[in-house]
Amino acid sequence: GAGVSQSPSNKVTEKGKDVELRCDPISGHTALYWYRQSLGQGLEFLIYFQGNSAPDKSGLPSDRFSAERTGGSVSTLTIQRTQQEDSAVYLCASSLRTTTDTQYFGPGTRLTVL
Amino acid sequence: GDSVTQMEGPVTLSEEAFLTINCTYTATGYPSLFWYVQYPGEGLQLLLKATKADDKGSNKGFEATYRKETTSFHLEKGSVQVSDSAVYFCALRRAGSYQLTFGKGTKLSVIP
Repeated sequence: GAGVSQSPSNKVTEKGKDVELRCDPISGHTALYWYRQSLGQGLEFLIYFQGNSAPDKSGLPSDRFSAERTGGSVSTLTIQRTQQEDSAVYLCASSLRTTTDTQYFGPGTRLTVL
Repeated sequence: GDSVTQMEGPVTLSEEAFLTINCTYTATGYPSLFWYVQYPGEGLQLLLKATKADDKGSNKGFEATYRKETTSFHLEKGSVQVSDSAVYFCALRRAGSYQLTFGKGTKLSVIP
């Protein structure tokens, strides 16, 4: 079946602009995660959604970052007033449920802030 | 907090050489341990995992054994191929948690 998909695959933006990154999880997966992969920090957890529960936003680096998940499926990560340090690959993952299930990752969105 | 330390790369090997990528971790309790692989231009894929001490995870000729006494989960392969060229990430997930904590990755290049 189809894996996790993300769009766009690449995004170049100017400092100060807002960007939206999209994630389509595997059908039937109730848990969805966002991670950031950057040169200096490696892979960092950002946010987690499980069903209709309130998301765990503990990994978001600042209040410029937000995410939503509509209808328990597609998720959008929004970065407002982008800064150069936001440049990274943003990875989305989904799993069937949560703590014991394998997380399947999408190909990522490479964000470059000029 | 939890952390994963893996050997820095890049690692360059000739085809059919033996591979070891070291990984050690710090975590409370008994975490699950993972190796993920990222091929060029692709997303992270789960390579293997182990959920308790002395478990051995294996896949595609790769192996790693969960060593509680040394808090290690070293990745090994007896004979690497050019197609194994990728970045390898060691990761842990604390029991009862959903967050993965990753090492910084080790880039492997296998030359013919």
